[in-house]
Amino acid sequence: SQQGEEDPQALSIQEGENATMNCSYKTSINNLQWYRQNSGRGLVHLILIRSNEREKHSGRLRVTLDTSKKSSSLLITASRAADTASYFCATDDGGGSYIPTFGRGTSLIVHP
Amino acid sequence: KAGVTQTPRYLIKTRGQQVTLSCSPISGHRSVSWYQQTPGQGLQFLFEYFSETQRNKGNFPGRFSGRQFSNSRSEMNVSTLELGDSALYLCASSLVGGMDTEAFFGQGTRLTVV
Repeated sequence: SQQGEEDPQALSIQEGENATMNCSYKTSINNLQWYRQNSGRGLVHLILIRSNEREKHSGRLRVTLDTSKKSSSLLITASRAADTASYFCATDDGGGSYIPTFGRGTSLIVHP
Repeated sequence: KAGVTQTPRYLIKTRGQQVTLSCSPISGHRSVSWYQQTPGQGLQFLFEYFSETQRNKGNFPGRFSGRQFSNSRSEMNVSTLELGDSALYLCASSLVGGMDTEAFFGQGTRLTVV
């Protein structure tokens, strides 16, 4: 089963609105990463957040991590049509080995 | 600097054949990881190579193998292809690997098995 699961599966918003997607995981982690994937292409790294961090920002992106709830959220503020993509979270297993587990992703559509 | 390059971009193979995919990492990166992406199973980790050694392996059958050369370029091989092997195969490189560093992905090789 997937370690990380994104929610919602799909999100459709208008340009200028904020988009929030969530990631839940099952076991303790050391690191959590968020990636973006444009249709059928490679993934682009967005943000890395470590288990001892609660919030990180990068431009219009804000990521939070709640280890007690085993969940993370990605907020994209003032969305643009170019933000249309699938967004994935990836987690490790907390044991130090590099076997990342990806969720199924949230498909975001931003209408101009 | 040049990104991660995967070749070929598209491939059509017949069931039972074998295939080799190539990945050239970013210069200076020593870790290369491979992933399989399908609509049904999502993104799944295949294996990671570091300094020519397989360091981590996902839960895939032995038909899936790989190697890394001294210049960090990596190849992935799938033998006795099955219809279910149709997928987008992605490789990612990073300086030393691990989930605490950024990985850079290639555009992928889309493999279709008929």
